[in-house]
Amino acid sequence: DVVMTQSPLSLPVTLGQPASISCRSSQSLVYSDENTYLNWFQQRPGQSPRRLIYKVSNRDSGVPDRFSGSGSGTDFTLKISRVEAEDVGVYYCMQGTHWPRTFGQGTKVEIK
Amino acid sequence: QVQLVESGGDVVQPGRSLRLSCAASGFNFNVYGMHWVRQSPGKGPEWVAVIGHNGAQIDYAESVRGRFIVSRDNSKNTLHLQMSSLRVEDTAVYFCARDLGANKFFDYWGQGTLVTVSS
Repeated sequence: DVVMTQSPLSLPVTLGQPASISCRSSQSLVYSDENTYLNWFQQRPGQSPRRLIYKVSNRDSGVPDRFSGSGSGTDFTLKISRVEAEDVGVYYCMQGTHWPRTFGQGTKVEIK
Repeated sequence: QVQLVESGGDVVQPGRSLRLSCAASGFNFNVYGMHWVRQSPGKGPEWVAVIGHNGAQIDYAESVRGRFIVSRDNSKNTLHLQMSSLRVEDTAVYFCARDLGANKFFDYWGQGTLVTVSS
């Protein structure tokens, strides 16, 4: 199975400051169609995961533009340009290139 | 609007069976593949099973293979997960999520249903 490793696991951030989460995969996530199937999800307390980013860098409809995704191959990053109170939660990366689909262990974003 | 509503979660003893359902609405269910994903308390999500749009493609995580069966009824826009020989480690919130590949994989999830396996 492809192992998805996130860091850090806990990220205390001051309101208005940037935040960055890393996700590394144990194998390349480039699929045979040349797409890279890497999603980012936000999970607020008591809620189901909400997709923020698909195929590395594409923001979902309704997702604030302070969220951005980047990376390639095995190394990916989710950035929040200025953290707001509503961004508190756990963030997961997930790969959709290989079977079985696998998730990172999560990064908990909290306000300092 | 897209809605996925899971049901069927309960408290059951180890070794027993349980059937979960996921009712879909607001989209063309019969062209989407569907997944079950579970999340144990305090842990990250774990993919459980997938079924193709017409039921022809099915796959399972090794942890549930041989014990769980995924199925769908496109006439009723419903996804099912039949779980048998349940173990304590199957305790989790179970989510369904849709998948059309490309830009639409795991783009919508249900709210989840809690399965607790305990003696």
